[in-house]
Amino acid sequence: GAGVSQSPRYKVAKRGQDVALRCDPISGHVSLFWYQQALGQGPEFLTYFQNEAQLDKSGLPSDRFFAERPEGSVSTLKIQRTQQEDSAVYLCASRGTSMDTQYFGPGTRLTVL
Amino acid sequence: SQQGEEDPQALSIQEGENATMNCSYKTSINNLQWYRQNSGRGLVHLILIRSNEREKHSGRLRVTLDTSKKSSSLLITASRAADTASYFCATDVSNFGNEKLTFGTGTRLTIIP
Repeated sequence: GAGVSQSPRYKVAKRGQDVALRCDPISGHVSLFWYQQALGQGPEFLTYFQNEAQLDKSGLPSDRFFAERPEGSVSTLKIQRTQQEDSAVYLCASRGTSMDTQYFGPGTRLTVL
Repeated sequence: SQQGEEDPQALSIQEGENATMNCSYKTSINNLQWYRQNSGRGLVHLILIRSNEREKHSGRLRVTLDTSKKSSSLLITASRAADTASYFCATDVSNFGNEKLTFGTGTRLTIIP
């Protein structure tokens, strides 16, 4: 595709529900990143994949957060037992080579009630 | 945690004027990047400046970097209404380059027609 796409664009969940957020990177991009952006703040790094390997997950806030990229393309960020503090915009970015910049998707706005 | 802080947090100027926003960061970097974010949309990459560069231009954008002061500035000349957005600086501090970005808190720029 022309750019990074994310779905759904908006998600409302009741506290305690599990959610799954999808990211379709730019075709052929090796690296994929997830960021969390709270209201009025800058994005904060969650996790990073190179192909299917998750090389850095240091930003995941708790063990309720899990990300995967099983075939080195599409990635899913899963949040179990959602809490109100999980409400944020979740951004996905992909990158072609190590010298390239990161290209961001439009994000998924998650609201936990 | 946020690596950098932008200053000012918010800026309103008349169309046609120049806008300057600043970014300070805490640790040594490989490069510094500026992104724009329109309301409800993803981040758009504007410009990248490497740690061994002092100034860079792209169209109406000028970026400076002072590694001794750990600061950068973004100048937008001849502002337009379409420049209304939030602007973030992001630093790459990883060992292998551009693996993850650490964003500042952002400057919200409003251009008054």
